[in-house]
Amino acid sequence: KQEVTQIPAALSVPEGENLVLNCSFTDSAIYNLQWFRQDPGKGLTSLLLIQSSQREQTSGRLNASLDKSSGRSTLYIAASQPGDSATYLCAVRPEGGSYIPTFGRGTSLIVHP
Amino acid sequence: EAGVVQSPRYKIIEKKQPVAFWCNPISGHNTLYWYLQNLGQGPELLIRYENEEAVDDSQLPKDRFSAERLKGVDSTLKIQPAELGDSAVYLCASSLGPGESLHFGNGTRLTVT
Repeated sequence: KQEVTQIPAALSVPEGENLVLNCSFTDSAIYNLQWFRQDPGKGLTSLLLIQSSQREQTSGRLNASLDKSSGRSTLYIAASQPGDSATYLCAVRPEGGSYIPTFGRGTSLIVHP
Repeated sequence: EAGVVQSPRYKIIEKKQPVAFWCNPISGHNTLYWYLQNLGQGPELLIRYENEEAVDDSQLPKDRFSAERLKGVDSTLKIQPAELGDSAVYLCASSLGPGESLHFGNGTRLTVT
């Protein structure tokens, strides 16, 4: 059974810092990995989707990398802003079968001015 | 494109009462998911539909939960009777296909008293 772990569970940083959020998974036979952000009281908003054949994806100040063999993905946030404050979750889809994603518990990020 | 729409946003009921949640997925999305999210946790799958067929429902407590997806578009999730432990956020998500990017609604926060 796939297990997804996100470290750290919580992070508080001053504005302007570059951040790295981690997502690790136990089964490397994955189809893709997706990063989301969740604001309080809201649903999940998709940030980046990395296919198993890809090494990284970029969108604006966000960069996500994937290392299947080591069971790790990182989300890099450049020049953090208070508006980046949210919970960040990763979801891992297995190869074949139903592609049902397994979610981590998320990293709660606070960026203070 | 219009996002996934869920209603109601909030629902407070007494235990043993019935409750229903409604979801309208993104147009053209064949795959629809219902998730349950407890505070501080990642979403957990309740049921997945491919068009109008429920293809993954092993995590759905069938003694009290039921779901349907009429004509492969809108979906409803029902709980009858509700228990205190059902208090959580119920999220609906859709995707073009099983392995494609997930798009979530804002969820329904259920409180059972």
